[in-house]
Amino acid sequence: AQSVTQPDIHITVSEGASLELRCNYSYGATPYLFWYVQSPGQGLQLLLKYFSGDTLVQGIKGFEAEFKRSQSSFNLRKPSVHWSDAAEYFCAVGRNSGYALNFGKGTSLLVTP
Amino acid sequence: DAGVIQSPRHEVTEMGQEVTLRCKPISGHDYLFWYRQTMMRGLELLIYFNNNVPIDDSGMPEDRFSAKMPNASFSTLKIQPSEPRDSAVYFCASSFGGKNIQYFGAGTRLSVL
Repeated sequence: AQSVTQPDIHITVSEGASLELRCNYSYGATPYLFWYVQSPGQGLQLLLKYFSGDTLVQGIKGFEAEFKRSQSSFNLRKPSVHWSDAAEYFCAVGRNSGYALNFGKGTSLLVTP
Repeated sequence: DAGVIQSPRHEVTEMGQEVTLRCKPISGHDYLFWYRQTMMRGLELLIYFNNNVPIDDSGMPEDRFSAKMPNASFSTLKIQPSEPRDSAVYFCASSFGGKNIQYFGAGTRLSVL
């Protein structure tokens, strides 16, 4: 069965510093991979997705992620974090038995001045 | 586009009462998903529909939960009778074509006392 692991429950970074959020997946074929962001009291917003092709994908708000098949990873990065990036970040993989998503447990990002 | 609309945003009820959560998907989308988010289990898929037909309800926790989609623009998730352990945030999402981007509503925060 597909699964997604986000090893870091909480991450704290200083404003302006770089960010990398880790995501590892378990999947038998080429996965569909997603990163979503959830601000407090809000629904989930898609940051970026990977279906195929170029393994480095660009998303909204200056985020990017790199698909590494050999490491079964899809880490999210941003070169310079803004205070407004503080939120919960979810990595997800599309199920091979249908069209729903399996989500990781999320990483809570805190941005300090 | 108004996005996925969920109502109510907050629901507080007493154990044993019936609860109905509502969702209006984005017009033209043919897939609708219901997810539940809790601290312990994260985001879990409950059920999803394609063209108003339930496709996978394996995530529905027990018979107290039921979901319907009487037409392309409306879905309900019903819990009867409700229990305190049902307290969670319930999200509805829709997509066009199952393996495309899912758009999430703002969620319904349910508290069962």
